[in-house]
Amino acid sequence: GQQLNQSPQSMFIQEGEDVSMNCTSSSIFNTWLWYKQDPGEGPVLLIALYKAGELTSNGRLTAQFGITRKDSFLNISASIPSDVGIYFCAGQGTGNQFYFGTGTSLTVIP
Amino acid sequence: ETGVTQTPRHLVMGMTNKKSLKCEQHLGHNAMYWYKQSAKKPLELMFVYSLEERVENNSVPSRFSPECPNSSHLFLHLHTLQPEDSALYLCASSQDSGLQDRAFFGQGTRLTVV
Repeated sequence: GQQLNQSPQSMFIQEGEDVSMNCTSSSIFNTWLWYKQDPGEGPVLLIALYKAGELTSNGRLTAQFGITRKDSFLNISASIPSDVGIYFCAGQGTGNQFYFGTGTSLTVIP
Repeated sequence: ETGVTQTPRHLVMGMTNKKSLKCEQHLGHNAMYWYKQSAKKPLELMFVYSLEERVENNSVPSRFSPECPNSSHLFLHLHTLQPEDSALYLCASSQDSGLQDRAFFGQGTRLTVV
């Protein structure tokens, strides 16, 4: 099956810093999604991207659909303690199935 | 609160036990899903139901048996599980099975097989 590589696996940052994480795939995707999962909760969709080159923001979060269609980036600006959690990407190729990344664990130090 | 409720939240079971996980959605969605989330591994789609019919079964062992009695409820019946089946089992729903990108997830059931 298709593989998604998500990096970094974990991040420890100071409150107020910006964060950047990315996902790359071995094949072309038509849709990229970014989720956040808090401890003990299910994933919540943050941003959905449907077009190569698309740049979409949701508050302090910005995500981009790479022009090669094989990667996507998520940036968080001015991090706050409630940004703590696991962020993971998902992508959809030519079929209907979505493939998920292994997640980036974010810790924000006050 | 996403509108998708899973019970129980935590479950510990022996390898010879039979148990069931329950999922309920109040969103009027027609598609429901079971996912398995293991530590350090990507989310794995197990089953997809659309209008109470199973439309996808991703090579899941028969010790996992799904049931969808109506479009609001989804069950996952478990029997003779193995320790490697310990994971977070997530239920999700979407308006239809072609809109997985718009799916809402439940909080999950943390399953431990001993």
